[in-house]
Amino acid sequence: DTGVSQNPRHKITKRGQNVTFRCDPISEHNRLYWYRQTLGQGPEFLTYFQNEAQLEKSRLLSDRFSAERPKGSFSTLEIQRTEQGDSAMYLCASSLARLAGAQETQYFGPGTRLLVL
Amino acid sequence: DAKTTQPPSMDCAEGRAANLPCNHSTISGNEYVYWYRQIHSQGPQYIIHGLKNNETNEMASLIITEDRKSSTLILPHATLRDTAVYYCIVHGSGNTGKLIFGQGTTLQVKP
Repeated sequence: DTGVSQNPRHKITKRGQNVTFRCDPISEHNRLYWYRQTLGQGPEFLTYFQNEAQLEKSRLLSDRFSAERPKGSFSTLEIQRTEQGDSAMYLCASSLARLAGAQETQYFGPGTRLLVL
Repeated sequence: DAKTTQPPSMDCAEGRAANLPCNHSTISGNEYVYWYRQIHSQGPQYIIHGLKNNETNEMASLIITEDRKSSTLILPHATLRDTAVYYCIVHGSGNTGKLIFGQGTTLQVKP
């Protein structure tokens, strides 16, 4: 399977614990996006990377959230001191943007479902 | 906020064409219309996109009006597996890459 993969698929944690999710994009895709989706809502943008550079962060991304893409390939999203309101599906997408400002199509992974007790 | 308006839900009989409308009256000249769908508990799946010409692929057809203020996604022969939430998204390079999802249309295909 050469699509976007995410691990783990499900995570249950207790409030106050730290969690880390991983996303492996489609090979050679230079852009990687993180979204969050709560029940009954569409996905909401969190942040994105062009290669290893984090180019934009949503105001939804509080200081408890941090994302990295150290070698421009896989990415991790860490949530520190989790709260019950962090319970959601965390989605990763990747795309190939050939030129700055060029049109791109994002392909999504299956998501990581987080439940904070 | 999303720049599109979609009906919250629609039904379709299995084997019939499903026509999903989308209004995007404020679309800019360099913005594309994208369609994704999300089957329960899965990640969004890319379906099709277009700028101003009609487009067709193995999954669907996209009809964009001449003024580009609205579009219709057509699933020619809906099956039960097409039951999903369908999102119409206006997306261009000025959006710095991020997709802005609305509420989408929940399509229920019935036997």
